[in-house]
Amino acid sequence: RKEVEQDPGPFNVPEGATVAFNCTYSNSASQSFFWYRQDCRKEPKLLMSVYSSGNEDGRFTAQLNRASQYISLLIRDSKLSDSATYLCVGVYTGGFKTIFGAGTRLFVKA
Amino acid sequence: EAQVTQNPRYLITVTGKKLTVTCSQNMNHEYMSWYRQDPGLGLRQIYYSMNVEVTDKGDVPEGYKVSRKEKRNFPLILESPSPNQTSLYFCASRGGATTIEQFFGPGTRLTVL
Repeated sequence: RKEVEQDPGPFNVPEGATVAFNCTYSNSASQSFFWYRQDCRKEPKLLMSVYSSGNEDGRFTAQLNRASQYISLLIRDSKLSDSATYLCVGVYTGGFKTIFGAGTRLFVKA
Repeated sequence: EAQVTQNPRYLITVTGKKLTVTCSQNMNHEYMSWYRQDPGLGLRQIYYSMNVEVTDKGDVPEGYKVSRKEKRNFPLILESPSPNQTSLYFCASRGGATTIEQFFGPGTRLTVL
């Protein structure tokens, strides 16, 4: 079992839709979690951090449930420009060891 | 401009021919890391470094070496490349233990024949 697992995707949604991605992690030593966005053949870029209290940035909301070892990302009012791969990421406490999920591909259509 | 640079961006080589992929950052970051990205597997960490002369293995270190002699540079060395090392490689840096964001280089697409 992978340490960080994501919805396989791809998600195909119309503009304006709300879409939710899920991610689970198996190693409780992973203390910090993030969502990164990766456009085709480009480098990943930080989208947002994930906290137990929830984190909202405009149309994006991320949530961490440590008891269930579950992370979510909600995108409201999807735009064409949201089309990308979304990567769930865990970082081990005190270091730089980083585990990426395989990514979920999102296609937003007009 | 704050950035992470990698060279070369594209490389085709043959089995067994030693190669080095360079990585440099101009943000005075302490942490640097190398990843490989393969279809269906996502990014996997090869090695990371938390400061000059401090390196540690990630999840897939076999067949790779790194060095951190200067803070800004973190080269990835393939002493004897094999076809299963054909991949897209990313270098990344992060300020330190209390900073969050990793900054990635543009990637190096390596093909080993």
